[in-house]
Amino acid sequence: AQRVTQPEKLLSVFKGAPVELKCNYSYSGSPELFWYVQYSRQRLQLLLRHISRESIKGFTADLNKGETSFHLKKPFAQEEDSAMYYCALRGLGGATNKLIFGTGTLLAVQP
Amino acid sequence: DTEVTQTPKHLVMGMTNKKSLKCEQHMGHRAMYWYKQKAKKPPELMFVYSYEKLSINESVPSRFSPECPNSSLLNLHLHALQPEDSALYLCASSHRVKRGAGLVDNEQFFGPGTRLTVL
Repeated sequence: AQRVTQPEKLLSVFKGAPVELKCNYSYSGSPELFWYVQYSRQRLQLLLRHISRESIKGFTADLNKGETSFHLKKPFAQEEDSAMYYCALRGLGGATNKLIFGTGTLLAVQP
Repeated sequence: DTEVTQTPKHLVMGMTNKKSLKCEQHMGHRAMYWYKQKAKKPPELMFVYSYEKLSINESVPSRFSPECPNSSLLNLHLHALQPEDSALYLCASSHRVKRGAGLVDNEQFFGPGTRLTVL
């Protein structure tokens, strides 16, 4: 079964501290993994996709197939990073495969 | 224009009303989606249109009726809804290309949503 697990509902850190938002997945084929972010009163938007292997707003995420994880990391959190973060999965190259979202982690960065 | 727009922003309707949600994009995307998002929950896929044809229906009750009149517009017609249908309804679109015998999607762009309340 396809599943995305984000174990933390809420993650609270101080400004300047490192951040790691956990994401584990279950998928039988080759997955495509994404991180979406939803800032307060803004639309859901793509932050990262594993295929691109890029850093956006200081965030990185590496797909670990052995541990079936795609954790989101940032070395120094900023207050403007406070938002809801969703990890999502789709079958690689599969337009007919739907995007499966995790339950989300609310990141709160304290000043 | 690089945005997905949705109207109305808010909608309050009774259980006997008929209303429609509208979604529009002018990015040339040929895949369009309806999602339902309850408070503090992730979006749940309802429908997918691919090249203006319904390709995925996630067993959504028939009181929700999607329509894709052209490649830029997506509607969701609502009739005889229940209070538990109150939610944020999100539209999304993505660039979908034919590659070989299959289709490949790029990232999904989301609209701001319509906040629906059913009384």
